[in-house]
Amino acid sequence: QQQVKQSPQSLIVQKGGISIINCAYENTAFDYFPWYQQFPGKGPALLIAIRPDVSEKKEGRFTISFNKSAKQFSLHIMDSQPGDSATYFCAASRLYNQGGKLIFGQGTELSVKP
Amino acid sequence: DGGITQSPKYLFRKEGQNVTLSCEQNLNHDAMYWYRQDPGQGLRLIYYSQIVNDFQKGDIAEGYSVSREKKESFPLTVTSAQKNPTAFYLCASKREVSNQPQHFGDGTRLSIL
Repeated sequence: QQQVKQSPQSLIVQKGGISIINCAYENTAFDYFPWYQQFPGKGPALLIAIRPDVSEKKEGRFTISFNKSAKQFSLHIMDSQPGDSATYFCAASRLYNQGGKLIFGQGTELSVKP
Repeated sequence: DGGITQSPKYLFRKEGQNVTLSCEQNLNHDAMYWYRQDPGQGLRLIYYSQIVNDFQKGDIAEGYSVSREKKESFPLTVTSAQKNPTAFYLCASKREVSNQPQHFGDGTRLSIL
């Protein structure tokens, strides 16, 4: 019940295309869903996050879509650029429980071809 | 600039040896976390601490120990009891206000000699 399942494991997209990464969770008590971006040899950096009371959040080229009934959320990267090539992690947590610890998906390695 | 500093960047451990990974933050964050990252498995929580002199086990605490004597420091010791210590270790911190995000350091890569 604590798992977050992420797909696909790897993704290749042409420059200018849309990258879509999906995550699913089981625990309906989760109330915070962040996405992190990680470059090789670096720590993850927060990209965008959403709470379950909204269905979509957009920041620049990055959009989170959230489907509470299906217990799924996804990251859309519009106009993908070679600089977006990185590993992306979804995560979930209960903000008011267990120190807000994050449960991470397995990660998606994105490669944007020029 | 405020941030999280992890050291060393690379660390090698001999059989039967304990090693300590350093994590220091100058963000005045209350909570600190240690994660382990293995290829294809995402990040898994080892220990976390919400206040000084208190810490809690995460999902994979066996073979690890921590201390939190100062707000800005949260060192992780990988003991000889951890039979598969080769991994990328990440430290994170956040303000105790619950809806604040966790910020990560740039990690320590631990390998076995």
